[in-house]
Amino acid sequence: NAGVTQTPKFRILKIGQSMTLQCTQDMNHNYMYWYRQDPGMGLKLIYYSVGAGITDKGEVPNGYNVSRSTTEDFPLRLELAAPSQTSVYFCASQEGQNTEAFFGQGTRLTVV
Amino acid sequence: TQLLEQSPQFLSIQEGENLTVYCNSSSVFSSLQWYRQEPGEGPVLLVTVVTGGEVKKLKRLTFQFGDARKDSSLHITAAQPGDTGLYLCAGSNNAGNMLTFGGGTRLMVKP
Repeated sequence: NAGVTQTPKFRILKIGQSMTLQCTQDMNHNYMYWYRQDPGMGLKLIYYSVGAGITDKGEVPNGYNVSRSTTEDFPLRLELAAPSQTSVYFCASQEGQNTEAFFGQGTRLTVV
Repeated sequence: TQLLEQSPQFLSIQEGENLTVYCNSSSVFSSLQWYRQEPGEGPVLLVTVVTGGEVKKLKRLTFQFGDARKDSSLHITAAQPGDTGLYLCAGSNNAGNMLTFGGGTRLMVKP
């Protein structure tokens, strides 16, 4: 059972470039989340989804977009990368309300 | 946005000492969770509390959910170097569909 898988693990982008961070889970979880974590800090919620076809903004959605066409996949899109988006990005999934959130290994993104 | 504030942000103690970490908000949560994160890894769940006033124990760790379901605390008895890490509280909103995290408490336990 793979759990939550994120790709890539590391990426360096130039300012203005675009990229998609991939996230897939094999636990048939309805809830999925994208967070960013700056060094030594907590996690800030970017976007979340409660099921296929449904997405909502979190605390810091500006500069990002998501889609949820299937239960398994929840990609995060950066359209015009900026240095402020340098961070570690975590994807997570939950079966439902008040259940354990399972996290991927993270994607370390540097924008130069 | 439902904000969770953790205190202290950093804590450095000697092995054997006790400590308490706090997680506070002005919002009501349907549940509060505590996670621990190691460097280079994603957070891992320690406990979930759902009832106001609830107390849960996990070996040397004691978790409490405030009566009004707005705050929580984590108490560690006789801390050990293996307890070193980043401790994060996370709250689910009343609809239970949005999980937000506090800023974290970085704990270092010196032998």
